[in-house]
Amino acid sequence: EVQLVESGGGLILPGGSLRLSCAASGFTVSNNYMSWVRQAPGKGLEWVSVIYSGGSTYYSDSVKGRFTISRDNSKNTLYLQMNSLRAEDTAVYFCARVGPCGADCYLDYWGQGSLVTVSS
Amino acid sequence: QSVLTQPPSVSGAPGQRVTISCTGSSSNIGAGYDVHWYQQLPGTAPKLLIYGNSNRPSGVPYRFSGFKSGTSASLAITGLQAEDEADYYCQSYDSSLSGSVFGGGTKLTVL
Repeated sequence: EVQLVESGGGLILPGGSLRLSCAASGFTVSNNYMSWVRQAPGKGLEWVSVIYSGGSTYYSDSVKGRFTISRDNSKNTLYLQMNSLRAEDTAVYFCARVGPCGADCYLDYWGQGSLVTVSS
Repeated sequence: QSVLTQPPSVSGAPGQRVTISCTGSSSNIGAGYDVHWYQQLPGTAPKLLIYGNSNRPSGVPYRFSGFKSGTSASLAITGLQAEDEADYYCQSYDSSLSGSVFGGGTKLTVL
């Protein structure tokens, strides 16, 4: 059974850093494209980043230069390193597996989400 | 402002049919990229509802269907049920952004 479990969220001061983890089971992270999607309180979904199976990474303009997506193949875990956090980064962060059809594919499995609150 | 445009809300009585539109541009839907739809119940993660414009994953009722034409797509729900009350999002890929894009979401109310 495919499962994604996020952790690492919490309350952080503006300008601070936080690393989210997404532990996967039931499939191999390194063989799939994996994404992070966030949802600010009461708002819609916003795509944040993707890492391809080959290792290429892409980011939304709103986080480019501040966030880094990575994976640890030995732990079958996806990460999102978030630096220089701003109040507008406050959101629930979901990790999701991208389906087997390339960059424009659907997100077939989602984690439960991890809340990040940036506030003084 | 989302790259893909959806109506903020739609409503319908039980048993009725509703549609939710998703309008994009020449760099996403109009470029031939697939459209996918998600259902999000309050306090839960999104769930894949329609993939590849019109395909239903296993377990999704036949009442849900998707259609794409030109720079737009739509989700239709027939035989509305109270349990369909949720937020619905469309998603595609945008070549100018080199990443996925979502619609702003549509809140479905079953009257």
